[in-house]
This record gives sequence, C-alpha cells and structure tokens, in this order.
Amino acid sequence: SQTIHQWPATLVQPVGSPLSLECTVEGTSNPNLYWYRQAAGRGLQLLFYSVGIGQISSEVPQNLSASRPQDRQFILSSKKLLLSDSGFYLCAWTGGQNTEAFFGQGTRLTVV
Amino acid sequence: DQQVKQNSPSLSVQEGRISILNCDYTNSMFDYFLWYKKYPAEGPTFLISISSIKDKNEDGRFTVFLNKSAKHLSLHIVPSQPGDSAVYFCAAGMYSGGGADGLTFGKGTHLIIQP
Repeated sequence: SQTIHQWPATLVQPVGSPLSLECTVEGTSNPNLYWYRQAAGRGLQLLFYSVGIGQISSEVPQNLSASRPQDRQFILSSKKLLLSDSGFYLCAWTGGQNTEAFFGQGTRLTVV
Repeated sequence: DQQVKQNSPSLSVQEGRISILNCDYTNSMFDYFLWYKKYPAEGPTFLISISSIKDKNEDGRFTVFLNKSAKHLSLHIVPSQPGDSAVYFCAAGMYSGGGADGLTFGKGTHLIIQP
C-alpha cells in the first residue's frame, strides 16, 4: 500500500533562517506531488506541484521554493523565512489519473 | 477569486441528527468534487467524491449531492456521531493529461457534534 511521510511534525524557526521540509512517498512510482499550505481562515492553498523529477510548477509567488531530487521525494525550502511563512504545510500525492489526493500528516511551522 | 466556497465557518449539530455541509463553486470546468475531513494537527483524509456527471454518491453514513445548475454540492452525514467533529474541506478538480493541476479547496467548515 502507498504511504506518504512528511517531517518534521512541528518546527519553530527564527525570521531569516533557512527552511527544509521533506516529503517522501512509498509504494508507488512516478506520483504527482504537491505542497499545500493551510493558513488561518484561508483553507488549503496549493503552493507547488511536480509531475516528475526536476519538474516544479509554482502556483503563487512567494518566499518558498520546491525541489524534486528523486521520483518519490519532494522538498519545500526557503533561504530566509518571513513571519508570514508561518502555517501548516501539507505534502500530497496523486496517481497518474486524476483522483483524490493523499496527504501527509503536515508540518506546523512557526516563524518567530 | 475564490472558486470553491464554504460559507459556513462552523456548524453545530446534535448527535444522532443529520449534518449538512454546503459548498458552492464558480468554475463550471470542474470535473469532480471531493470532501476531506481534517482533525487538528493532522493531514486531511479523503472522505467521499462525486463526478460532475452524477448527482449523488453514497458511502455508508456519508452522501454527497451535486447540483450542477446551481453549482452547489452538499455533504450529508446521517446519523452524526461524536467522532465526526472535525473540519470538513470541499475540493474540486479537473481532468487533464498530466494529472497535476492540483485540487482547489474551500476554506473549510468546522463541524461540532454535540452529545
């Protein structure tokens, strides 16, 4: 069965520090991978998606970047965090056909 | 411009009664709709979906109704149970070759089941 791992679960970082959140998927190959952010009162916002290694599309301009160094690995990064980057970040994947997305457990990021 | 709208931030329902969560959308190009359930500090879990060519889909206590002419869908939970207390997200998607368009989510409705 397919599983998705996301870590860390919680993170407190000072303003201006770098960020690296990692997500890996098991039990499937060539998944479509996504990073979402849940901010207070704003639902789930799609940040990045990837259809393959090295292929990243950004949905919104922001202080964050994403990379896909391996087929089942998706990384969310920032060189310098802002206070506004605080939120709950979720990694998700879908199969080849459009189906429901399966989410990781999420990372609660607090920038102080 | 918010394409998927959940206009009720919260809903309180008595245990055993029916919970009805509503969702409206503006983009007539959406091909399918989904409901997700989310507990605090956890990722959303898929609940039920419906294709745009159908008007009803049922799975146990959960039924989703789609009214395309009104661009409206609703999730019915019957009977409501304490474990149903969570935030429910409505989402919509489109079929495309790459399958990577991602889902568009509403802001969520916090369902509270009262004993």
